[in-house]
Amino acid sequence: AQSVTQLGSHVSVSEGALVLLRCNYSSSVPPYLFWYVQYPNQGLQLLLKYTSAATLVKGINGFEAEFKKSETSFHLTKPSAHMSDAAEYFCAVTSSNDYKLSFGAGTTVTVRA
Amino acid sequence: DAGVIQSPRHEVTEMGQEVTLRCKPISGHNSLFWYRQTMMRGLELLIYFNNNVPIDDSGMPEDRFSAKMPNASFSTLKIQPSEPRDSAVYFCASSRTAVDTQYFGPGTRLTVL
Repeated sequence: AQSVTQLGSHVSVSEGALVLLRCNYSSSVPPYLFWYVQYPNQGLQLLLKYTSAATLVKGINGFEAEFKKSETSFHLTKPSAHMSDAAEYFCAVTSSNDYKLSFGAGTTVTVRA
Repeated sequence: DAGVIQSPRHEVTEMGQEVTLRCKPISGHNSLFWYRQTMMRGLELLIYFNNNVPIDDSGMPEDRFSAKMPNASFSTLKIQPSEPRDSAVYFCASSRTAVDTQYFGPGTRLTVL
């Protein structure tokens, strides 16, 4: 079975500060990893995905994530937070031969002016 | 290209009534997923269709829930009779194949009084 754990259900950052959202995964096979963002009253939008190519993955809106097998982690970062980054972020895991996405509990990001 | 389309966006109904949620997947996608999102349980996969055929309905909570996909461009999720504990946001997602990236619709917020 595959699973992800998102550390911290809520993160508050100042505008312009680094955003760091933590995700650790558990998988018995090589994982495919995703970060989705959910803005209030909207669906989930794909930010980025890792599918066994480059370990540093760049996504939309200036976000990137690094796959670290030794640490079973896939943390999401953005160097400089913007007010528009306020949303809920979900990490998810699957594998190359599985249709099931296992989602983390989500991390809500608040950006302070 | 239009994304996944869901209707209605909001539904308020009374306990015991039948509720039908609708989804139009992205054209060319052969896999369709229904999810439920609640504060307590997060995102749960309810059912997965491949080429219009239900493959995995193990997440459907009980017999009150049913889902159909009569053709490649339309799916429904029906709850009959509805109960207050069914209140949640229901998402539809589609992917090009079963193991490709899933793209989510905007969701239907269901409130059962």
